[in-house]
Amino acid sequence: AQSVSQHNHHVILSEAASLELGCNYSYGGTVNLFWYVQYPGQHLQLLLKYFSGDPLVKGIKGFEAEFIKSKFSFNLRKPSVQWSDTAEYFCASKDDTGRRALTFGSGTRLQVQP
Amino acid sequence: DARVTQTPRHKVTEMGQEVTMRCQPILGHNTVFWYRQTMMQGLELLAYFRNRAPLDDSGMPKDRFSAEMPDATLATLKIQPSEPRDSAVYFCASGLVLAGGLGEQFFGPGTRLTVL
Repeated sequence: AQSVSQHNHHVILSEAASLELGCNYSYGGTVNLFWYVQYPGQHLQLLLKYFSGDPLVKGIKGFEAEFIKSKFSFNLRKPSVQWSDTAEYFCASKDDTGRRALTFGSGTRLQVQP
Repeated sequence: DARVTQTPRHKVTEMGQEVTMRCQPILGHNTVFWYRQTMMQGLELLAYFRNRAPLDDSGMPKDRFSAEMPDATLATLKIQPSEPRDSAVYFCASGLVLAGGLGEQFFGPGTRLTVL
């Protein structure tokens, strides 16, 4: 079965620091990749997605992610975080086997200190 | 501004009681998903439907959980009888399956269930 791994469970940064959250997926075929954000007490919102084409994907709020097929990775980055980025971040994948649902990673809790 | 709606937003009930959670997918979406989020397990897929037909409910405990789509505007997730271990946030999501596969999934605000 496909799996998604997020190795950073809890990250604490100061404002203006750079962010990189790791995500690795296991499926070797065609895969769609997503990053979702969940602000405290809120539902999941899509930050960005990769389907095909340019492996560097830009999303909302200054986030970007790079798809590296050889490393099975889709790391999320932001050059300068803000206090309002405090949230939980989920990487997710969907493969092309016909199972349409997303497989989520365990999430990374980001805490940005002012 | 189209969005997925879920009711109730919060539910506190006693063990053994029946719980029904409702979801209204975005109009025109043909796929509906139910996810459960807990601290221990993270986000898990419980079931999903395409064009109202259940395609995969392997993530759902069959003895107590049931999911249905009585019509295109309503999906329900029922737990009977509920147990304390069912306490979680239940998210509904909807999406549109296109020729190339599923696009983005849009999540509802969730139902926070507490079973005492």
